[in-house]
Parts: sequence; structure tokens; C-alpha cells
Amino acid sequence: QVQLQESGPGLVKPSETLSLTCNVSGGSMRNYYWNWMRQAPGKGLEWIGVVYSTGSTNYNPSLKSRVTISLDMSKNQFSLRLFSVTAADTAVYYCARSQWLDSWGPGTLVSVSS
Amino acid sequence: EIVLTQSPGTLSLSPGERATLSCRASQSVSANYLAWFQQKPGQAPRLLIYAASIRATGIPDRFSGSGSGTDFTLTISRLEPEDFAVYYCLQYGSTIRTFGQGTKVEIK
Repeated sequence: QVQLQESGPGLVKPSETLSLTCNVSGGSMRNYYWNWMRQAPGKGLEWIGVVYSTGSTNYNPSLKSRVTISLDMSKNQFSLRLFSVTAADTAVYYCARSQWLDSWGPGTLVSVSS
Repeated sequence: EIVLTQSPGTLSLSPGERATLSCRASQSVSANYLAWFQQKPGQAPRLLIYAASIRATGIPDRFSGSGSGTDFTLTISRLEPEDFAVYYCLQYGSTIRTFGQGTKVEIK
């Protein structure tokens, strides 16, 4: 059974870059979509973007100018980079597999603060 | 971008009762690519239903999904204590995926 696990710094300074990695175990990354979502404290879910196993990407228009999602199948992982962060980017960040998000990581809280 | 509107915002019910949750899309969802998730406090969302009506692996049959086009419904036939949670719909029929704002099912 596939398992996903997010990792990265829990604290990022304003104007810096948030970088997270999702490690995938127990299954192949080929022929799947790999997604990032986030959830601000007390709020709903927000889809950030997706990378397909070919490397093609789609992003939420509200974040597109600040986001890059990439894939490294040799390491069984995919990554999120969010540039020029502000306090509004404080959230639990989740990674998930497939178009319909059938498997999720447990999430990682990232706080933006000086 | 497709906007999903969930209703009601909060549903107050007792164990054993039937829950009916709505998800309405601002435009037709391609191929009825609509999923439902359950989220409990401090946990990641869990997939319940995809393609509008297909139960995910291991999901009890008291959960069912229906609908097409712009109107979708998640029904929980008889609420168990562990079903009190927040439920989200997601459309994945367009290149830009969007979530509804959520429905909280709380104990009356």
C-alpha cells in the first residue's frame, strides 16, 4: 500500500522560499498524478497544484506566479517550492496521489514568521 | 475555474439518522469527476467517494454518492459516532482542481 510523507522546515521567514518534499513508498510513481494541498488554521482545503509522472504541471491560478512543483522518480519523491511567502501562507501542507487524491500524507505544519 | 458550493454549512444530527450533503458546481463537472472526503480534527482528509458514486477501498456502504453535471450528493444512511466530521467535495474534471468549503456534521 502506497504511503506518503511530507518533510521540510516547520518555520520559514517572510519573503523567503518554502520548500517541502513528499516521499513516496510502497508503490510506483509512474502513471500517477501527484498533488500538493494546504489548509490554513481553521480553514478549508486549498489545492495548490499537480505534477504528472511525465513532469507536466498545473497550478492554482491564485498561486501560479509563486509555485513550482517538481518530480524525481529516481528518489521516489516530488517537491513543492513556494516563493516570497507571507503570514498568509501559514498552513498544514499535504501531498496526495492521483487525480482523485486517493492517498494522502499526514501533513506538515509550516509557519511563516520572523 | 469551477466553484463548488457545499450546503448546508453545518448539519446537526443524532447517531442513527440519515445525513444528506450537497455539492453544487458553477459549471458542469467533466465526466462527473467529483470526489468526497472526510476530515477529522488533526488528521489528513480521507477519500470516501470518487467519480461521483464509486466508494473508495474500505469505505463502509452506509456512504453513498450520487449526482451528475452540476449537482452532487453525499448520503450517509445511518450516522455512526465516528462519522461526525467535516466533509469536502473536490472536482478534478478540469486542469484546475477545486474544493468546496466543507460541511460540518455535528452531534445534535
